[in-house]
Amino acid sequence: KQEVTQIPAALSVPEGENLVLNCSFTDSAIYNLQWFRQDPGKGLTSLLLIQSSQREQTSGRLNASLDKSSGRSTLYIAASQPGDSATYLCAVLNQAGTALIFGKGTTLSVSS
Amino acid sequence: NAGVTQTPKFRVLKTGQSMTLLCAQDMNHEYMYWYRQDPGMGLRLIHYSVGEGTTAKGEVPDGYNVSRLKKQNFLLGLESAAPSQTSVYFCASSNRDGYGYTFGSGTRLTVV
Repeated sequence: KQEVTQIPAALSVPEGENLVLNCSFTDSAIYNLQWFRQDPGKGLTSLLLIQSSQREQTSGRLNASLDKSSGRSTLYIAASQPGDSATYLCAVLNQAGTALIFGKGTTLSVSS
Repeated sequence: NAGVTQTPKFRVLKTGQSMTLLCAQDMNHEYMYWYRQDPGMGLRLIHYSVGEGTTAKGEVPDGYNVSRLKKQNFLLGLESAAPSQTSVYFCASSNRDGYGYTFGSGTRLTVV
């Protein structure tokens, strides 16, 4: 059974810091890996998607990497801002493409 | 705005009552999903559908039924609500290739 773990569970940083969120998964047979953002009381917003054959994806100040063989992904946020405060969720899509399995998330707080 | 719409947004049920949650998407997505989100448990897949007229069980299907009579709609039913079904329910849809995952804003359900 696929399990997705995110470390740390919570993170507080001052504005301007670069930071890394970690995600690990137990079964390397994945279709893709996705990072989402969730604001309190809201739904999820897709940030980045990395296909299983890719190593990384970038969008603005966000960069996500994937090492499928070791079952790890990282989300790098450059020059953090208070508006980045949210919960970040990592999810892997099974090879059949029918189920996203989520980690429990990392709650990020960026202070000004 | 294009996306996934869930109704209702909030609901309080008494134990044993029934209800249906409605999800509608206007992106012509093939796949649709129902998740529940609980503190400390993360997001867990209840049921999903890979096309009109199809449904399949996810990780936590017990106590729920679903139907997808039209491509754009995915209904989640609770026949006899239990306090353990108190949760936030999210509907999502995606393309067949795993791209375009879009989540609704959620339904907060309390069973007393």
